[in-house]
Parts: sequence; C-alpha cells; structure tokens
Amino acid sequence: GENVEQHPSTLSVQEGDSAVIKCTYSDSASNYFPWYKQELGKGPQLIIDIRSNVGEKKDQRIAVTLNKTAKHFSLHITETQPEDSAVYFCAARTNRGSTLGRLYFGRGTQLTVWP
Amino acid sequence: ETGVTQSPTHLIKTRGQQVTLRCSSQSGHNTVSWYQQALGQGPQFIFQYYREEENGRGNFPPRFSGLQFPNYSSELNVNALELDDSALYLCASSPTTGLHEQYFGPGTRLTVT
Repeated sequence: GENVEQHPSTLSVQEGDSAVIKCTYSDSASNYFPWYKQELGKGPQLIIDIRSNVGEKKDQRIAVTLNKTAKHFSLHITETQPEDSAVYFCAARTNRGSTLGRLYFGRGTQLTVWP
Repeated sequence: ETGVTQSPTHLIKTRGQQVTLRCSSQSGHNTVSWYQQALGQGPQFIFQYYREEENGRGNFPPRFSGLQFPNYSSELNVNALELDDSALYLCASSPTTGLHEQYFGPGTRLTVT
C-alpha cells in the first residue's frame, strides 16, 4: 500500500516567520493530497488540498506544492501566528485498489509559533 | 466546524468488553470512513461505508465492525477490547466515495484498562 513520510516531526518558528513541512509518498497512483490541522482535543481540520493535475495551490497564508516526478509535496505557511500552533498532517489517496476513499497519513508535525 | 458529530466524547472500558461508537455525517454526505489515531500518530484507516455497504477495509481484525444507516449515520463496534485499542476514533464524511474531500468529526477518546 501507500507509504507517506513527513518531516520534520517538530518545528518551532518565531511569529511572522515562514514554516515549511515536507511529505513524500510511494505510490505513483496517488492523486489527491490533503493537509489537516489538528488542535489539542479536536479532530483533524482540512486546511488545503491539491490534486495531481495541479503543481501549486494557495489560500491566503497557506500554500501547497506538488512534485509528482519526485513524489513529494509540501505545505508552506507564511507570516505565522501563534494560533497556527497545532499538529499538521499530510495525507495521500491512491487511485489504485478497492478503497478509493482511503487516506494514508504521515506521522504529523508539531508546529509551535512563538510570539 | 464540519457538521460531523460523534458520540460519546470519552469512554472508559475494561479489557474484553465491547464498545459502540457513533457518528453523524455532514448533511448531504453519503460516505463515512472510520480511522483510529493512537497517541502521537497519524490516523489509520479502519473501513469505509458507502450507501450502507462496507466499501473497503484497512488492516484491522474482524472484531472491528461497522454499520451505516439509511440516513448515512454510522456505528463502529469493537468486540473483545484489548489495551492497544486505546486511541482516538475518528469518523470522516465525504459527499461520495472516491475522489472527494473528507471532513472529520471531533473523535471519541477510548481508554481500555
């Protein structure tokens, strides 16, 4: 099955700086890549996603890039704020097999933004 | 907020017992997926239900079972609880199966003692 690796596991930045989280995937048939933000005691919240026919997508301070050849995708957060502090998960969904809706998650990145 | 609700919020059970967790999907969504999230890990896929039928399963034993009802709400049942079943159980709903976004509920925290 698909294997998603995520780095770094922890990331500390000063307020106003940028943060970058990187993920790689193994299955070339994967074609949908969402990013989730999970705050303490809550479920994951979808913050941005990208499909395999697009190389980059931006939504205000958040952007995601996808390199299909290298099988990696990244989350970029600019002008970070303390409320961006949370655990971020990348995920991939493959177009192969019997469960098209299954998401494979990375292990998460704990982002801390210091004021 | 996604509109996906789960109950109960927290649950404590003893090893060997059985548990039922419930999920109400977002309005208009006919697909529900269940995930298990151990502490410090990413969610792991358990199974998915589409129009009341199981539509794929991850690497979980048969003692994990589910149901989806005509109103698309869903249940996750776990029999013969083991200590390792302690985790946050998440359900996610989608407009339909296949290539669509999944929206997660707040989860049920299960502790097995």
